[in-house]
Amino acid sequence: RKEVEQDPGPFNVPEGATVAFNCTYSNSASQSFFWYRQDCRKEPKLLMSVYSSGNEDGRFTAQLNRASQYISLLIRDSKLSDSATYLCVVNSDQGGKLIFGQGTELSVKP
Amino acid sequence: ETGVTQTPRHLVMGMTNKKSLKCEQHLGHNAMYWYKQSAKKPLELMFVYSLEERVENNSVPSRFSPECPNSSHLFLHLHTLQPEDSALYLCASSQLYGTDDEKLFFGSGTQLSVL
Repeated sequence: RKEVEQDPGPFNVPEGATVAFNCTYSNSASQSFFWYRQDCRKEPKLLMSVYSSGNEDGRFTAQLNRASQYISLLIRDSKLSDSATYLCVVNSDQGGKLIFGQGTELSVKP
Repeated sequence: ETGVTQTPRHLVMGMTNKKSLKCEQHLGHNAMYWYKQSAKKPLELMFVYSLEERVENNSVPSRFSPECPNSSHLFLHLHTLQPEDSALYLCASSQLYGTDDEKLFFGSGTQLSVL
């Protein structure tokens, strides 16, 4: 089983749609969770950290489910500019190295 | 200058060449990283330096040799590479390595092609 697993997609959605991605992780000792965004041929950029209580930043909501060992990212009212690959990142254990998922590709169409 | 800058942006080299990738961070961070990103594969951590000491070396072949002369600069020296080493090489920095708030800031990467 991969340490961090994501559906590679692509997810093709119309503008204005709500879309959600999940990411599963294998190590129950993991403590840090993040979503990064990577545009085509660009570097990854931190989108948001994921906290136990869940967190929201504008149209983006991140949730953590420790029992089932997954994190999710919800994007509401999708914009064309949201088209990118979304990378799930989890640390291997407390203070351990960061493990990247292979990313989920999102394409928002007019 | 802001953030993390990497040079060169593109590099084509033969298998017998020696070249170096350069990374500089202007964020006052204490940790610097090299990652490899191959097509359709997750980012792979290669090396981490924290406070100028190497703290991670993930079974990377010796044809890749990192150097961290100070907390702002990181190099990746390349020699006798193989075609399968062709990939995007990303430098990153973070405020503190190995914490639960380890947020990475990436450079724009070097797209390497080995012929």
